[in-house]
Parts: sequence; C-alpha cells; structure tokens
Amino acid sequence: AQSVTQPDIHITVSEGASLELRCNYSYGATPYLFWYVQSPGQGLQLLLKYFSGDTLVQGIKGFEAEFKRSQSSFNLRKPSVHWSDAAEYFCAVGGSSNTGKLIFGQGTTLQVKP
Amino acid sequence: DTAVSQTPKYLVTQMGNDKSIKCEQNLGHDTMYWYKQDSKKFLKIMFSYNNKELIINETVPNRFSPKSPDKAHLNLHINSLELGDSAVYFCACGQIPYEQYFGPGTRLTVT
Repeated sequence: AQSVTQPDIHITVSEGASLELRCNYSYGATPYLFWYVQSPGQGLQLLLKYFSGDTLVQGIKGFEAEFKRSQSSFNLRKPSVHWSDAAEYFCAVGGSSNTGKLIFGQGTTLQVKP
Repeated sequence: DTAVSQTPKYLVTQMGNDKSIKCEQNLGHDTMYWYKQDSKKFLKIMFSYNNKELIINETVPNRFSPKSPDKAHLNLHINSLELGDSAVYFCACGQIPYEQYFGPGTRLTVT
C-alpha cells in the first residue's frame, strides 16, 4: 500500500539550531517526493521536490532534502532554524502519471524556542 | 495575482444546509484537486479533474459533488451538511505528475 510516515508528530528546536524532519514512504513505482509547509491559518507552500537526478535537493527558505532510495526516506534539513520556521511540515509522495495523486504524511509540528 | 484562490475563506452553517466552495486558478494547469484537512491536520484527496474530466473520486459521501465548468475553475457543492463535514477544504492545481499548488483553504464549520 502507498503511504507516507512522518515519525515525529512534534519537534521543538532552539533558534539557530539545526533541524531534521524525517519522512519515510512506501510507493510501488518511482516516487516523486515533496515537502510542503503550512503556517497557521494558511495554505500549503511547496518547499522542495524530487523527481530524479541528484538526490540532494535544495528548496526555498534555506531548506534541503536528501532522497535515499535504500531507506525509502526523504528527510528535510535546515542548518540554522529561524523563529519564522515554526509551522506544520508535510511530506508527500506522488508520481502517478494518470492522476498525479499525492499521499501526505501526518505532518510534523515544528516549534522554535527563542 | 493569487495563483489559486478560494471563496469563501470561512463558512459557518447549520446542519442540513447546502453550501458551495469555489476555486479558481490562473496558472494554466490542466488538473485541479480538492483535499480535506481534518482536525488532526491530516490531508486527504477527495476529487480531481483533468481538463474538466473527473479522474479521482475517492471514498467520499455522495453529498459531496465537484463541478468543473472550465479548466480554471473547480467548485465543491455539499448537500445536507453534517457535523463531521467540519474541516478545512483545500483546492490545488498542477500538471500531472508534478507538484501541486494549493489555495488558502476554506474553513467550514457546521453547527
């Protein structure tokens, strides 16, 4: 079955500290992978995406993610977190050439301590 | 210009009523989607239209009916609203199989 697991429901980091949000997926075909961020009361904004090629992808706001096929993972990282990064982060997998259907993880809430 | 817009942003209504949510995109994408985000923030696909043709119809009560008058618009009509329909509904668009762009959401509260 196709699924996405974000093992960490809630993460708290200090401002300036590094961040890694975990994402594991199960997908029968070649996965297309995405990270989205949702600020309170807002829609989802695309942070980055992976389709093929270099397994380390750069996104907006200083985020990057690494695709590891052997571990079925697509973890999101940021070297130094800012208070404005506090939000909900969603990992998603897709790739269906027929529908483009995205399957989302449960989300990780990031809290940033001053 | 907002890429994906939804109206209304908030919708408060009573059980049994019928309501509609509208979505418009100006990105020129062929495919539009409706997602439901529940109180635990879990996002699940409901429907998708590609060039006005329904291509995704997940297990959703038939009180929910999407309509796509043209490629840039996808509306969601809900009949006989129930308490459990309270959620945030997101519209999105994209070019299969690539990334999707989301609207700001419509928070529906059924009392």
